[in-house]
Amino acid sequence: AQSVTQPDIHITVSEGASLELRCNYSYGATPYLFWYVQSPGQGLQLLLKYFSGDTLVQGIKGFEAEFKRSQSSFNLRKPSVHWSDAAEYFCAVGARGGADGLTFGKGTHLIIQP
Amino acid sequence: EPEVTQTPSHQVTQMGQEVILRCVPISNHLYFYWYRQILGQKVEFLVSFYNNEISEKSEIFDDQFSVERPDGSNFTLKIRSTKLEDSAMYFCASRGDWTTGELFFGEGSRLTVL
Repeated sequence: AQSVTQPDIHITVSEGASLELRCNYSYGATPYLFWYVQSPGQGLQLLLKYFSGDTLVQGIKGFEAEFKRSQSSFNLRKPSVHWSDAAEYFCAVGARGGADGLTFGKGTHLIIQP
Repeated sequence: EPEVTQTPSHQVTQMGQEVILRCVPISNHLYFYWYRQILGQKVEFLVSFYNNEISEKSEIFDDQFSVERPDGSNFTLKIRSTKLEDSAMYFCASRGDWTTGELFFGEGSRLTVL
């Protein structure tokens, strides 16, 4: 069965500092990988996705993520965070093909200090 | 930009009552999903729906739950007899085809069971 681990429940960074949110997955084949962001009281917005090809993917709002097959990881990064980045971030894994949905991690709550 | 829409945004109901949550997926999408997020917890898969039938369902999706696509546009989640623990945010999602894994999520329907 597929699973996603986000080891950090909360992360606090200063505005302007760099950010890395960790995500490890367990999946029997090459998965699709996603990062979604959820602001308080809002739905889930896709930040970026990895399907194939270049293992470094660029997303919206200046985020990027790198797929490392050997480490089963898909960490999210941003070189300089803004106060508006404060939100809940979810990593998700999905199967290639078929009707299967996504499996989400428990999320990382990002707090931005002024 | 096409989007998934959900109604109502918030519903309060008494324990034991029936609730129907409605979703209008993106018009040319083929796969439909319901997810649940209990306050402060991760997003959990409930059910996927394709070709007018359930493709996959989780352990959460017991006999109290049902889904339906009554016409060409709506996708509904019915909870037959609500329990306190059904209080959560319910997200509808849709996907275009099986070659890409990206799900497009609605803003969610918050259900409060008293």
